[in-house]
Amino acid sequence: AQSVAQPEDQVNVAEGNPLTVKCTYSVSGNPYLFWYVQYPNRGLQFLLKYITGDNLVKGSYGFEAEFNKSQTSFHLKKPSALVSDSALYFCAVRDGRGYSTLTFGKGTMLLVSP
Amino acid sequence: KAGVTQTPRYLIKTRGQQVTLSCSPISGHRSVSWYQQTPGQGLQFLFEYFSETQRNKGNFPGRFSGRQFSNSRSEMNVSTLELGDSALYLCASSSEGSTNEKLFFGSGTQLSVL
Repeated sequence: AQSVAQPEDQVNVAEGNPLTVKCTYSVSGNPYLFWYVQYPNRGLQFLLKYITGDNLVKGSYGFEAEFNKSQTSFHLKKPSALVSDSALYFCAVRDGRGYSTLTFGKGTMLLVSP
Repeated sequence: KAGVTQTPRYLIKTRGQQVTLSCSPISGHRSVSWYQQTPGQGLQFLFEYFSETQRNKGNFPGRFSGRQFSNSRSEMNVSTLELGDSALYLCASSSEGSTNEKLFFGSGTQLSVL
């Protein structure tokens, strides 16, 4: 069975500082990895995905994620945090089978202070 | 293009009642997935429908059911409600539901069971 772990319930960072939100996964075969963000009282919005190719994936709003196969990790990063980045972030994984389900982690709350 | 629409936005029910939630996917999308979101468990997959057929099912009791209509609109039903069913129910759509596709989420239906 596939699974995702987000070890931090909350990450605090000051505006302008770099941020990292951690994610590790477990899946049979090649992973298809995603990050989504949820703002208050809203559904989830897609940020970025890794399917194959370059280990560094760039996404929306200046976010990027680094795929590390040996460590089975897919950490979300941003060089300079904004207060408006404060939200709940979800990492998700699918295996390579056709039409497999998307499994989410429990989410990490990112709080960016002014 | 209109996004994913979920109705109603809020629901309050009492134990033992049943409830039906509705989801209209993005025009042209044929895959609809349902997730339950709670603070402690994150997002839990309920089921996925594609072209009126249930293609995947999560680990929820039979009280949770769903269906999809020929216009791709989907409904989920929860019978004999329990207090633990209180959650945000999210619907997501995609074109084919294939492995590398991103999901488009609705804003959810917040269900409170008293």
